[in-house]
Amino acid sequence: DIQMTQFPSSVSASVGDRVTITCRASQDIKHWVTWYQQRPGKAPKVLIYAASILQSGVPSRFSGSGSGTDFTLTISTLQSEDSATYYCQQANSYPLTFGPGTKVDLK
Amino acid sequence: EVQLEESGGGLVQPGGSLRLSCVVSGFTFSNSFMSWVRQAPGKGPEWVAGIFISGTTADYADSVKGRFTISRDNSKNTLYLQMNSLRAEDTALYFCVPYSTSSGWLDPWGQGTLVTVSS
Repeated sequence: DIQMTQFPSSVSASVGDRVTITCRASQDIKHWVTWYQQRPGKAPKVLIYAASILQSGVPSRFSGSGSGTDFTLTISTLQSEDSATYYCQQANSYPLTFGPGTKVDLK
Repeated sequence: EVQLEESGGGLVQPGGSLRLSCVVSGFTFSNSFMSWVRQAPGKGPEWVAGIFISGTTADYADSVKGRFTISRDNSKNTLYLQMNSLRAEDTALYFCVPYSTSSGWLDPWGQGTLVTVSS
């Protein structure tokens, strides 16, 4: 199975800050990464798919990059509503696997 | 509007069984790869099982292989998860989620059904 790791596990930032989350796969997964945002008490929501494609309706301050084993999710200008936990998920092969998550808190 | 309505969760003793159901509407269920994903309290999502369009091919996470069985009835737009030999670590909110094989995303997600395994 492909293992997904994420770092940092948590980050505290101020409104307007740039936040970068990294996800690493245990083997080459090409561009097959999806990023989700999960707010407390809510189901996960797709932000980015195929490593860098913004899901329809998602604000443009979110962006994704990477290929192979290393991927990043960037929030260019953090907003208060971005306080959430972010997960990466590999879609290269079954079983699909998720990273452990990065919690983004506002200072 | 896409709707996914999971049901069948509840409290069960270790070693017991449950059958989850998910009735879907608003998209072509018979053309969709479907998954069950669970999320334990305070933990991240875990993909549990997936089933291809035909219903004859399925895949499972190692943690449930041999204990859980995913199935579908395309005539009823319904997805199932038969869970046997339940363990405390199976306690979670279970979601049925369509999976886009062309884009790699699991979306949309319903409200889930809660399974609690405890004596």
